[in-house]
Amino acid sequence: DAMVIQNPRYQVTQFGKPVTLSCSQTLNHNVMYWYQQKSSQAPKLLFHYYDKDFNNEADTPDNFQSRRPNTSFCFLDIRSPGLGDAAMYLCATSRDSFTDTQYFGPGTRLTVL
Amino acid sequence: DQQVKQNSPSLSVQEGRISILNCDYTNSMFDYFLWYKKYPAEGPTFLISISSIKDKNEDGRFTVFLNKSAKHLSLHIVPSQPGDSAVYFCAAENSNSGYALNFGKGTSLLVTP
Repeated sequence: DAMVIQNPRYQVTQFGKPVTLSCSQTLNHNVMYWYQQKSSQAPKLLFHYYDKDFNNEADTPDNFQSRRPNTSFCFLDIRSPGLGDAAMYLCATSRDSFTDTQYFGPGTRLTVL
Repeated sequence: DQQVKQNSPSLSVQEGRISILNCDYTNSMFDYFLWYKKYPAEGPTFLISISSIKDKNEDGRFTVFLNKSAKHLSLHIVPSQPGDSAVYFCAAENSNSGYALNFGKGTSLLVTP
């Protein structure tokens, strides 16, 4: 009964080659988030959508973009991946406000060659 | 700048004993705190939370304590079970600044039989 699904689980890309990570949810939640977690580091919020409203964190590089074509799906686009972008990317959802529990997907581990 | 700190990367506890995981924060504007648990190859899952208006919240074997003056919170697991072995992330939010969850780097708990 997966609620937050991320595909693929492992992604390998080349330096500078655009890559898209996918997240879908079956919870019908309003809010979807993308986090980046580098090795031995805390997950870091990149951006979130409240419905169709996009909210970028101030320190998220321009190299990272996101799309949310409908309630269920959200994509993370990395336009020109660098070696420093290798990380686990976590998608999460919450029903509404910040105090609502965030449900995380299993993550996509990105390797940049 | 890490605003949520988990200074113990790992902790080992015997089955049946108490596990105490600690977390410190620097931002006095944080008013909601959460603990997430993460098994390998899975995303973090919500465990327990506490609002800044409380100093204790209990859910079964899990209790979170909040000391606002010390900017410190702790998670107590009693009694510890081998299935509790996981990475535990502390997270904090400021309800006035949007949806960002600020995570610590995590503490890896091992409960030995």
